[in-house]
Amino acid sequence: DQQVKQNSPSLSVQEGRISILNCDYTNSMFDYFLWYKKYPAEGPTFLISISSIKDKNEDGRFTVFLNKSAKHLSLHIVPSQPGDSAVYFCAATGGGNKLTFGTGTQLKVEL
Amino acid sequence: DTEVTQTPKHLVMGMTNKKSLKCEQHMGHRAMYWYKQKAKKPPELMFVYSYEKLSINESVPSRFSPECPNSSLLNLHLHALQPEDSALYLCASSQTGFTGNTIYFGEGSWLTVV
Repeated sequence: DQQVKQNSPSLSVQEGRISILNCDYTNSMFDYFLWYKKYPAEGPTFLISISSIKDKNEDGRFTVFLNKSAKHLSLHIVPSQPGDSAVYFCAATGGGNKLTFGTGTQLKVEL
Repeated sequence: DTEVTQTPKHLVMGMTNKKSLKCEQHMGHRAMYWYKQKAKKPPELMFVYSYEKLSINESVPSRFSPECPNSSLLNLHLHALQPEDSALYLCASSQTGFTGNTIYFGEGSWLTVV
């Protein structure tokens, strides 16, 4: 039972344009959501998070949007840079700090 | 400083060996975690320590034995592993074990069981 889903395994974007990565969840107990970036052979790097009491959180080029009624969140990266090319994982927690990860989206930012 | 340090970065061990993975953080975090990640899969939780006590064991086989000697250190003792245990083992920490605390990961230890 995949409680956190990232339906796009890969995404290709031109440098300077917006990257939008999507994530859906099924467990209504989730109340804190995080995005991680992962390069091969490295651990996940925390990017940005959002609490369920908010619908938007922004940090530099990264913005996360949360739509609780749709159980959907998205990560916007503007402008996209070649160094952003990595696998992006959406993760969620609720009732304890046990992360449930999505399956990941491979982002490729092309010159 | 959000650094979680893991050693060794790479480990090759035979199925009869005993080895350990080590993890250290100096952020004053009181929750520490072990995750396992196989290729092209998301990380999966193995263990959670909260205030140096084991709070979650995700039905991990006993050939994996965690230990938290103090609030900064977390070990994973390995014995009689199988080749299918080969994976990236990730240590992580957070301020507490309650939801809403960001979890920071180390770079991982690549384990190969031969």
